[in-house]
Amino acid sequence: DAGVIQSPRHEVTEMGQEVTLRCKPISGHDYLFWYRQTMMRGLELLIYFNNNVPIDDSGMPEDRFSAKMPNASFSTLKIQPSEPRDSAVYFCASSPARQVNQPQHFGDGTRLSIL
Amino acid sequence: GNSVTQMEGPVTLSEEAFLTINCTYTATGYPSLFWYVQYPGEGLQLLLKATKADDKGSNKGFEATYRKETTSFHLEKGSVQVSDSAVYFCALSLYSGYSTLTFGKGTMLLVSP
Repeated sequence: DAGVIQSPRHEVTEMGQEVTLRCKPISGHDYLFWYRQTMMRGLELLIYFNNNVPIDDSGMPEDRFSAKMPNASFSTLKIQPSEPRDSAVYFCASSPARQVNQPQHFGDGTRLSIL
Repeated sequence: GNSVTQMEGPVTLSEEAFLTINCTYTATGYPSLFWYVQYPGEGLQLLLKATKADDKGSNKGFEATYRKETTSFHLEKGSVQVSDSAVYFCALSLYSGYSTLTFGKGTMLLVSP
């Protein structure tokens, strides 16, 4: 079975540019999560969706960040305009059901560098 | 609020040594507990889990026991291998209508031959 698929794996761009990260969750999973990982702050939950609906976006750092899930098989995380402090690894994860002991399945991440 | 505290790394061991990575938690309720592992350049993978007090999760030679009295979920392995070198994350989940994970900061393990 295919796991969570993220693209691109690496992105290098100049500050001020728009960045779009993409995620395809595992088929049949109800939840989709976006995380950011940095050395300083560790793993941070940015936003999550249930059945394509955003449930909690309190982790989104500022208005420059936005996320959408237009259908059950696709989500995007957009940064506009990007800044050097946005450099991090961004992970997407999905999980199958609304039960506390269901694990989250992570993609391999997008390593983002803003110059 | 809910939180997870892990011992700081890196933890450096020789091959075949005994491993313990400490994890304690604070939660308003009765959480499920998890250990995830992240190998270089990859995402997190579930290593093991325990859903109630005194449960023991185990996988690939790793074990952790859910200790409600001490609010702990320490990760152990009797004999580590070089291939175990990775970052290990302790996490908890509390079901309150929706299920999210609260992660610790991660502990890097380096195993030398």
